Amino acid sequence: EVQLQESGPGLVKPSQSLSLTCSVTGYSITSNYWGWIRKFPGNKMEWMGYISYSGSTSYNPSLKSRISITRDTSKNQFFLQLNSVTTEDTATYYCARGSFDYWGQGVMVTVSS
Amino acid sequence: DVVLTQTPPTLSATIGQSVSISCRSSQSLLDSDGDTYLNWLLQRPGQSPQLLIYSVSNLESGVPNRFSGSGSETDFTLKISGVEAEDLGVYYCMQATHALWTFGGGTKLELK
Repeated sequence: EVQLQESGPGLVKPSQSLSLTCSVTGYSITSNYWGWIRKFPGNKMEWMGYISYSGSTSYNPSLKSRISITRDTSKNQFFLQLNSVTTEDTATYYCARGSFDYWGQGVMVTVSS
Repeated sequence: DVVLTQTPPTLSATIGQSVSISCRSSQSLLDSDGDTYLNWLLQRPGQSPQLLIYSVSNLESGVPNRFSGSGSETDFTLKISGVEAEDLGVYYCMQATHALWTFGGGTKLELK
């Protein structure tokens, strides 16, 4: 069974970087696409970007100057780094397979001093 | 950017009632490969989103067949034929046709 699990700090200070890890079991990240999505307080969902089976990336232009998605195929993990965070980056962050059929449980990240 | 507008924002239903949710796109979601990458997801309280329907009308494995999707180009509909208690939550349409993938604003299904 495919499983994804996010990990990382739940509290980040403004202007610092947010770093999350998505650990995948049951399926190789060298197949398919793997993305990050966040849900803001309320209902708004935002696709942040993905990394493909080949390692190429695509990002939401609204984040392009701040975001980086990378991977470690030896550990079957992929990563999110979001720089220069503000309180507006407070959200629940999810990793998901690109076909959106498998999701992690989500990690709530609060940006606050 | 492709904007997906979902209506209604909130839906109150009784158990057994059939309901529909609309998703309208600001641009056609028909891809050059002939497919239309419009999906429907449900997020139950306290859970991660779950894929219900992919490519407009294809039922994801394990999803009850009371869920159905239809539509084309810019107008899409999710129908639940006989709401059950486990169907409560927030429904989202989302598109992956255009380079910037986007979500609708969500429709909250509540019990009347």
